[in-house]
Amino acid sequence: NAGVTQTPKFQVLKTGQSMTLQCAQDMNHEYMSWYRQDPGMGLRLIHYSVGAGITDQGEVPNGYNVSRSTTEDFPLRLLSAAPSQTSVYFCASRAGSSNTEAFFGQGTRLTVV
Amino acid sequence: TQLLEQSPQFLSIQEGENLTVYCNSSSVFSSLQWYRQEPGEGPVLLVTVVTGGEVKKLKRLTFQFGDARKDSSLHITAAQPGDTGLYLCAGGGYNKLIFGAGTRLAVHP
Repeated sequence: NAGVTQTPKFQVLKTGQSMTLQCAQDMNHEYMSWYRQDPGMGLRLIHYSVGAGITDQGEVPNGYNVSRSTTEDFPLRLLSAAPSQTSVYFCASRAGSSNTEAFFGQGTRLTVV
Repeated sequence: TQLLEQSPQFLSIQEGENLTVYCNSSSVFSSLQWYRQEPGEGPVLLVTVVTGGEVKKLKRLTFQFGDARKDSSLHITAAQPGDTGLYLCAGGGYNKLIFGAGTRLAVHP
């Protein structure tokens, strides 16, 4: 059972480079989200989606783009990486809103130099 | 903007001690969840509370949802080294799941 799969696990970027963090889930969940985790700040919501073709901004969306062309995939794009985007990124999926359990990937540790 | 504040931020205790961590907000939530995260892994759900005043128990862990559905607590009885980790509360808003900053617990043998 794969659950939520994130790739890559580690990445180093130079300032100004762009890249895409991949996230795929095989549970047929409608809801998917991207979070970043920094020391002492918990998980902050970047973007989320409630279904294919529908995305919305979270708490810290600047510098990131998302799209949801299929139920399974929810990639996160960094347009022009900045050192402030150094963080651990988690993708999560849920079957629905409110009370449903969020399943997380193992995270992507991104360093921007 | 819905915010969840967790306290304490850090907790270091000896095996066998009891502890309580708190999750507070000025907003009402339809439900609150508690997750536990270990190093290098994503958070894993421990419990969901949905009714004001609700108390749920998982072995040595007791979770309570405040009557006004603005706060929650996690009490651990006789902590063990295996309880070490980051405990996160999360609130369900409209289509979003918002997390607190977490309580980092270290239980020493």
